[in-house]
Amino acid sequence: AQSVTQPDIHITVSEGASLELRCNYSYGATPYLFWYVQSPGQGLQLLLKYFSGDTLVQGIKGFEAEFKRSQSSFNLRKPSVHWSDAAEYFCAVGARWNDMRFGAGTRLTVKP
Amino acid sequence: DAGVTQSPTHLIKTRGQQVTLRCSPKSGHDTVSWYQQALGQGPQFIFQYYEEEERQRGNFPDRFSGHQFPNYSSELNVNALLLGDSALYLCASSLGTGGENYGYTFGSGTRLTVV
Repeated sequence: AQSVTQPDIHITVSEGASLELRCNYSYGATPYLFWYVQSPGQGLQLLLKYFSGDTLVQGIKGFEAEFKRSQSSFNLRKPSVHWSDAAEYFCAVGARWNDMRFGAGTRLTVKP
Repeated sequence: DAGVTQSPTHLIKTRGQQVTLRCSPKSGHDTVSWYQQALGQGPQFIFQYYEEEERQRGNFPDRFSGHQFPNYSSELNVNALLLGDSALYLCASSLGTGGENYGYTFGSGTRLTVV
């Protein structure tokens, strides 16, 4: 069965610093991988997705993620964090969009 | 272009009661999926409706049921509410059940509190 682990419950970074959020997945075949962001009181917004091809995926808001099959990871990165990036981030894996399994999320706090 | 609209935004119910949550999909979308997000957890897939039929279902009891109308809007019904049903219920719409080319659009959710 597919599953997603986000090892970091909460991360704090200074504004302007780089960011990496970790995601590890378990799935029997090549998965579809996603990163979503959720601001308080808001729904989930898709940041980026990986289906196949280039393992470095560019998303919205300056985010990127790298698929590493050997490590079963799909970590999210951003070179310079802005205060508006403070939110909850979810990694998800699935064979089809309607079978998406989400991780428990990582809450990002940005220090001024 | 309206996104996904969910109503109500907040709801308080008593244990044992029944509740109905509503979702209007994004314009042009024909598929609605429902997720339950407990506090501090990621969303859990409940079920998906396409062409007015339940197409996929997650690991949720029969107390959770739904409906899709000809205009693609959807309802989620929960009977015999338990305290553990307290959560944020998210609706996501897409075009077709796969969604690979179009993606899911999520609503802001309905916060259900069972007391």
